[in-house]
Amino acid sequence: NAGVTQTPKFQVLKTGQSMTLQCAQDMNHNSMYWYRQDPGMGLRLIYYSASEGTTDKGEVPNGYNVSRLNKREFSLRLESAAPSQTSVYFCASSDRGHSMNTEAFFGQGTRLTVV
Amino acid sequence: GENVEQHPSTLSVQEGDSAVIKCTYSDSASNYFPWYKQELGKRPQLIIDIRSNVGEKKDQRIAVTLNKTAKHFSLHITETQPEDSAVYFCAASILTGGGNKLTFGTGTQLKVEL
Repeated sequence: NAGVTQTPKFQVLKTGQSMTLQCAQDMNHNSMYWYRQDPGMGLRLIYYSASEGTTDKGEVPNGYNVSRLNKREFSLRLESAAPSQTSVYFCASSDRGHSMNTEAFFGQGTRLTVV
Repeated sequence: GENVEQHPSTLSVQEGDSAVIKCTYSDSASNYFPWYKQELGKRPQLIIDIRSNVGEKKDQRIAVTLNKTAKHFSLHITETQPEDSAVYFCAASILTGGGNKLTFGTGTQLKVEL
């Protein structure tokens, strides 16, 4: 049982390049999330997927797109990377909000630097 | 949308002392309040959570209190140990069938000194 797995762990991009961050969970969770973490700002929600087939914007969606590929996988795409997107990205998953256990489990993070 | 404020941003205590971290939230509809611990270079991990129908919850040396009227909640760590040193985040969400979208505070760097 690996929990939430993200790839890659580290990435350096040049301004304007594109890339996709991958996330997979094996806990049979319905909901998945992408957060970014910047110094002094906590974690901020970029996009989330309440269930397979749905995606919605979070607090800071500009410059990102997402795909809920199936129940297990939720990817985050940067179409044209900018230095302001330098951050640590965390994927998370949880069960539905009405379930007994609503804990959000996080992946190990992707440290992205845009130069 | 929800706004969560967290204080202090840094906290230094002597081993064995207690530590208290406080958070306020803005949306009265929020009904779930977790606390996460994040060690350097690691992922955030849940240490305790509380729902709005409960005023206090304890788990060994850790406790959380919730005041819905004032819209604030606090984390209490007693008998602190060096391994408690980490960044702690509070969060708030409205639990729905659509999941658990968390709004986080900005974090508290706790340092437990020997």
